[in-house]
Amino acid sequence: AQSVSQHNHHVILSEAASLELGCNYSYGGTVNLFWYVQYPGQHLQLLLKYFSGDPLVKGIKGFEAEFIKSKFSFNLRKPSVQWSDTAEYFCAVKPSGSARQLTFGSGTQLTVLP
Amino acid sequence: NAGVMQNPRHLVRRRGQEARLRCSPMKGHSHVYWYRQLPEEGLKFMVYLQKENIIDESGMPKERFSAEFPKEGPSILRIQQVVRGDSAAYFCASSAMAGSRGVEGTEAFFGQGTRLTVV
Repeated sequence: AQSVSQHNHHVILSEAASLELGCNYSYGGTVNLFWYVQYPGQHLQLLLKYFSGDPLVKGIKGFEAEFIKSKFSFNLRKPSVQWSDTAEYFCAVKPSGSARQLTFGSGTQLTVLP
Repeated sequence: NAGVMQNPRHLVRRRGQEARLRCSPMKGHSHVYWYRQLPEEGLKFMVYLQKENIIDESGMPKERFSAEFPKEGPSILRIQQVVRGDSAAYFCASSAMAGSRGVEGTEAFFGQGTRLTVV
């Protein structure tokens, strides 16, 4: 079975700072990887996803993530955060090409100070 | 093409009552997943269903919880005799049949969730 680890539970940054949120997964086969964002009181929104091809994936709102297969990692990055990026971020994984359910990390709460 | 629709958005139940949460998948999607998000926690998988079949219910509590996805109509997550610990946000997701649209056809789309409060 797959598992996901998000090492940072709470990250606090000032506006314009750079962001990197860690995500590591464990699974013996090929995976599809996702980052979701959840704004306070809202539902999950997909930020970006990796299925295959270029391991550097660009998503919405200036976010990107890099899949490093050798490290089983899929870290989320943004060069300059805004106050409106304050939210909870979830990394998720599922076996590639499978309709099986997603396995989520425990989430990282990002607080951006104005 | 409407997204995944969940209703109600908010549900308040007294202890001991039943809660019924509904999820209508996206058009053309035949796979439904239910997740629970407890306060200050991530999303935990509960159950994975296809039409008229439960594929994986390994995340469902053994008692009081059940789920169905009938041939016609929405998927239902049913919680009998609710307790305060059931208070959470319940999210539904759906995906297309694997292989029908390639690997990316297996991407899951989430609804807005139902926030259950047990008083």
